[in-house]
Amino acid sequence: DQQVKQNSPSLSVQEGRISILNCDYTNSMFDYFLWYKKYPAEGPTFLISISSIKDKNEDGRFTVFLNKSAKHLSLHIVPSQPGDSAVYFCAASNTGNQFYFGTGTSLTVIP
Amino acid sequence: ETGVTQTPRHLVMGMTNKKSLKCEQHLGHNAMYWYKQSAKKPLELMFVYNFKEQTENNSVPSRFSPECPNSSHLFLHLHTLQPEDSALYLCASSQVGGFDNEQFFGPGTRLTVL
Repeated sequence: DQQVKQNSPSLSVQEGRISILNCDYTNSMFDYFLWYKKYPAEGPTFLISISSIKDKNEDGRFTVFLNKSAKHLSLHIVPSQPGDSAVYFCAASNTGNQFYFGTGTSLTVIP
Repeated sequence: ETGVTQTPRHLVMGMTNKKSLKCEQHLGHNAMYWYKQSAKKPLELMFVYNFKEQTENNSVPSRFSPECPNSSHLFLHLHTLQPEDSALYLCASSQVGGFDNEQFFGPGTRLTVL
């Protein structure tokens, strides 16, 4: 059974608007969450992380929100740019180095 | 070379072949990982090595055999694979024990088993 789920396989957003990518998890013991971005023919690259002691972490245009009670994680990209078009994976771990990944959401930013 | 490198980038093999995938990390990390990514599935963790010692083996069939001779190199030896083993195989490394434990991935090896 998947412990991390990304229910939207794809998302299209107009350039300049906000992109919101969602992720749900089932294991309440997860305490560290990450977002990765993947371009075709490349490995995933780390984007932003958040620990369970926080509910928000911001890095430039990227903000991750954590709602522990809902077991929900989201990544906001604002403003969205065409170069943000990629597959985004969320991942979670419960202290340790075993991460559980979602299936990914393919984001397309339309110029 | 920087980051995590993987060779070969593409591999086509028959079911009776023996081949090896190679991964090298240039980040000074102390943990390395093999993941399998199949279409429309999440990344599946296969093996974890901490300080060259295997600490996780997520029920991976014995036709996949990892080897970690040192903390910078990781191999995945392949033998008598099945067509369903065709996938993207990703290597990653991380620094375990620090506050931030993000994993850095290589570009992957696209494996096709005929």
